[in-house]
Amino acid sequence: AQSVTQLDSQVPVFEEAPVELRCNYSSSVSVYLFWYVQYPNQGLQLLLKYLSGSTLVESINGFEAEFNKSQTSFHLRKPSVHISDTAEYFCAVMGISSGSARQLTFGSGTQLTVLP
Amino acid sequence: SAVISQKPSRDICQRGTSLTIQCQVDSQVTMMFWYRQQPGQSLTLIATANQGSEATYESGFVIDKFPISRPNLTFSTLTVSNMSPEDSSIYLCSVVGPLIGYTFGSGTRLTVV
Repeated sequence: AQSVTQLDSQVPVFEEAPVELRCNYSSSVSVYLFWYVQYPNQGLQLLLKYLSGSTLVESINGFEAEFNKSQTSFHLRKPSVHISDTAEYFCAVMGISSGSARQLTFGSGTQLTVLP
Repeated sequence: SAVISQKPSRDICQRGTSLTIQCQVDSQVTMMFWYRQQPGQSLTLIATANQGSEATYESGFVIDKFPISRPNLTFSTLTVSNMSPEDSSIYLCSVVGPLIGYTFGSGTRLTVV
């Protein structure tokens, strides 16, 4: 089984400042990792994912996340945030094993609020 | 990635009634899942919808309360039975594409009064 910990439930930050949303996971098998974003009153949207290869993955809107296997982390970063980045961010993990059902396990979410 | 149509988008239901939520995908997918997002909380997996067989439920969820159908590779339904106010949540359908891309429906916002 897998578990995901998002240590920060709320992260307020001023516009154009950098931000890091932390995500740690535990798993007895290898994993795929995901970040999802949920804007107010909307559904979940995939922000970025790590499946294999380069441990640094990027999204089209300036976010990036780095898979650190030794620290079992997948922190999300952006060097300069915008008001429009205000949303709930969910880290998720999927364990890779033969016969696995491939369901996602989600963290509790981090509410990012960008202040003017 | 797959496009999911989930209906209804929202509903207000009376205690003790049932609601069936539909999930239609624009392509055939192997894996379909149903999640619940209670107010202010993260997503919890209810069950994996298996085509042609009974769904696989997670701990804390039972078929009598959340019956699921999956008659083919593009469609599934989730019924919330004998509803109580504690069932007020957002219910989301999710599918997995060939590139390990999870796509979510826009969700059904259920309020039980």
